[in-house]
Amino acid sequence: GIQVEQSPPDLILQEGANSTLRCNFSDSVNNLQWFHQNPWGQLINLFYIPSGTKQNGRLSATTVATERYSLLYISSSQTTDSGVYFCAVAEYPTTDSWGKLQFGAGTQVVVTP
Amino acid sequence: EAQVTQNPRYLITVTGKKLTVTCSQNMNHEYMSWYRQDPGLGLRQIYYSMNVEVTDKGDVPEGYKVSRKEKRNFPLILESPSPNQTSLYFCASSLTRLPPTEAFFGQGTRLTVV
Repeated sequence: GIQVEQSPPDLILQEGANSTLRCNFSDSVNNLQWFHQNPWGQLINLFYIPSGTKQNGRLSATTVATERYSLLYISSSQTTDSGVYFCAVAEYPTTDSWGKLQFGAGTQVVVTP
Repeated sequence: EAQVTQNPRYLITVTGKKLTVTCSQNMNHEYMSWYRQDPGLGLRQIYYSMNVEVTDKGDVPEGYKVSRKEKRNFPLILESPSPNQTSLYFCASSLTRLPPTEAFFGQGTRLTVV
């Protein structure tokens, strides 16, 4: 199956700092999403970004599918950005299966005041 | 508001007592699935459904049942829960087969089996 690797595994930021999270995947994909899991456990959709660049407020993401990676940028971080960030790609175990999301292990982000 | 709704959010139960976690989506999505999240193991797919009355096993289906009698609902049934099913459960839906559509997740159900 597709391997999804995220780095770094942990990140501690001072409020106001910028950071970049990386997601590498082992095979070509045409479906990639970024999620934020908040301290209450909820999975929040951040970006659906199979290729190109998208921005939403202080967050932006870039996927270079041909080079098999995606980046999530957090600018001017706030304490509410704390949590775990996951990337996930669609995987098809068989040619006629309906697919599943293969998640990376996540990046744990802590933003301190 | 487009959303996936799971209930309950939190549940503590005893071994062997049947329970159902409900999942409902209001986006007319064809595809729905259940995942469980465990420390060190990440998120793993339990079951998925391509449409009404069409379901199939994911990676970790043992001990679970599902049904899809209506397009909007996809309940997860634990007929005889055991402590190893203590986990955080997520229901997800997407418009069609992935890709090219994104998946939306419910709020999660934190289940403890004692």
